[in-house]
Amino acid sequence: AQTVTQSQPEMSVQEAETVTLSCTYDTSESDYYLFWYKQPPSRQMILVIRQEAYKQQNATENRFSVNFQKAAKSFSLKISDSQLGDAAMYFCAYRSSTYSGGGADGLTFGKGTHLIIQP
Amino acid sequence: NAGVMQNPRHLVRRRGQEARLRCSPVKGHSHVYWYRQLPEEGLKFMVYLQKENIIDESGMPKERFSAEFPKEGPSILRIQQVVRGDSAAYFCASSPPDSEAFFGQGTRLTVV
Repeated sequence: AQTVTQSQPEMSVQEAETVTLSCTYDTSESDYYLFWYKQPPSRQMILVIRQEAYKQQNATENRFSVNFQKAAKSFSLKISDSQLGDAAMYFCAYRSSTYSGGGADGLTFGKGTHLIIQP
Repeated sequence: NAGVMQNPRHLVRRRGQEARLRCSPVKGHSHVYWYRQLPEEGLKFMVYLQKENIIDESGMPKERFSAEFPKEGPSILRIQQVVRGDSAAYFCASSPPDSEAFFGQGTRLTVV
């Protein structure tokens, strides 16, 4: 079974600074999908960024980018120019390629990192 | 354009009662997924449904839990004879076929 580990229960960053959230995973598969989700106090899970394992290029969405190291099974999230609205729980998730590219079945989540933004 | 709507947002049940959690998917979405989040944990997959069909229930506890997504109306997650260990946040997501899924805000179930 796949596992996802987020080793940082909590991280704090000054507003406008850059922060990196760590995620490692364990799998025997060669093709899969990786995700970062944001869960603000409203509790809604919001997709931040997605990476297909077969793509070597790291995904980027505005101020959010990932560092995907397939051999190391590492998938960190970098948030640049941190804003107060970035404060939330961040969850890393894995999905096997046996599932289709879309949908939300079979996601395996880490325990999350609580990100605090200091004004 | 409403997103995934879950109700109630908060539900309190005494041990032994039944809990019914509702999920109205985004209009036009035919796929629904249920996840459970225990305190201090990530979300755990429970079940994947399409209209009138259960596609994958590999994460559903074998007893007391059931889910449906009828042709008309919301998807329902039913928990019979609730116990304290069922206390958690239950999330629903919906998607069109093979496309991005959107999550609701969850229902927080407290069993007293």
